[in-house]
Amino acid sequence: DAGVTQSPTHLIKTRGQQVTLRCSPISGHKSVSWYQQVLGQGPQFIFQYYEKEERGRGNFPDRFSARQFPNYSSELNVNALLLGDSALYLCASSQGGFTTEAFFGQGTRLTVV
Amino acid sequence: QKEVEQNSGPLSVPEGAIASLNCTYSDRGSQSFFWYRQYSGKSPELIMSIYSNGDKEDGRFTAQLNKASQYVSLLIRDSQPSDSATYLCAVSSNDYKLSFGAGTTVTVRA
Repeated sequence: DAGVTQSPTHLIKTRGQQVTLRCSPISGHKSVSWYQQVLGQGPQFIFQYYEKEERGRGNFPDRFSARQFPNYSSELNVNALLLGDSALYLCASSQGGFTTEAFFGQGTRLTVV
Repeated sequence: QKEVEQNSGPLSVPEGAIASLNCTYSDRGSQSFFWYRQYSGKSPELIMSIYSNGDKEDGRFTAQLNKASQYVSLLIRDSQPSDSATYLCAVSSNDYKLSFGAGTTVTVRA
């Protein structure tokens, strides 16, 4: 069984640019969540999507947006990149909600220069 | 007050010893509790989940939950060098969000 797959694995962008990160959940999982992890900290919740609907949003600016497609894959978009957006972006897949176990992809390392 | 707090590390233990990791949480309505292991430069890997008070054992790992004290712990028995990693405590109080602690870095010395 394929696990959670994210692309790309590494990305370098310039301040002010826009970036799109992609995630495919585990087969059969309908929920995808996005997290940001900066060095030395635990992951911070950005969004959760379940059955293509946004169920929750963390304390992130409107420059961050996401969507989920009919095949349950998801994209995270970040506009007007700032140096502080440099982080590991993690996608988590679960069957539904977080009362069930969540499994992370390998992450996308974003560097903003 | 942070939602999830973990004991500050790093924690260094000799090979074969027990590593004890602690976590407290602020939301008394929390329902689900998880431990993740994260190797340097990698993503978090789920190693334990616990939902009710008491102990849960899986191989060399034991998770303990005390909802009255808002406390979760992880014991790693017979610690191996391969257990050297950062351990993240995660708590869920609703259907959509995991709240993580900052992690405790464990080093197992041979």
